[in-house]
Amino acid sequence: DIQVTQSPSTLSASVGDRVTITCRASQNINTWLAWYQRKPGKAPNLLIYKASTLKTGVPSRFSGVGFGTEFTLTIDSLQPDDFATYYCQHYHGYLWTFGQGTRVEIK
Amino acid sequence: QVQLVESGGGVVQPGGSLRLSCAASGFTFSSYGMHWVRQAPGKGLEWVAFIRNDESGQYYADSVKGRFTISRDTSRNTVYLQMNSLRPDDTAVYHCAKDDPVLDHWGQGILVTVS
Repeated sequence: DIQVTQSPSTLSASVGDRVTITCRASQNINTWLAWYQRKPGKAPNLLIYKASTLKTGVPSRFSGVGFGTEFTLTIDSLQPDDFATYYCQHYHGYLWTFGQGTRVEIK
Repeated sequence: QVQLVESGGGVVQPGGSLRLSCAASGFTFSSYGMHWVRQAPGKGLEWVAFIRNDESGQYYADSVKGRFTISRDTSRNTVYLQMNSLRPDDTAVYHCAKDDPVLDHWGQGILVTVS
């Protein structure tokens, strides 16, 4: 099975900072990777799919890049609403695997 | 707009059973596969099960294979998760989600406690 490893597990940042989260796959997954935002008590929210395609309505300060085994999610100019937990997810071939999550907290 | 509403959660003893339901609206239910995903207390998201739009295939995480069954009723726009032989480590908030092919819409979730 394909494993996805996310880092860091926690990230402390301030409003206005640029933050980057990394996701590594145990084997080549092409661009079959999505990113989600999760806030306590709310449903997870899809941000990016196919590694770099922004879901309609998601602010442009979110961006994703990557191919194969290494992927990143970047948030430019962190906003108060962005403090949350972020998950990457591999999807393909009837198996879906989430990363362990990265909690973005206020410094 | 897409709405997914879970129901059927609660407290159950180890070894017991529970059936979760997810009522879908706002999209053509018969055209999309559906997932169940869970999050245990203090843990991350864990994919649980998927059913294809035409019920031609069901897929499960190893942790629930043989114990959980996903099904759907297109006439009711509802997807189900039958959970048998429940264990304390099945305690989690369970979400249903629409597949496209990423999980583009999610329900708020329903709590299942095995104790």
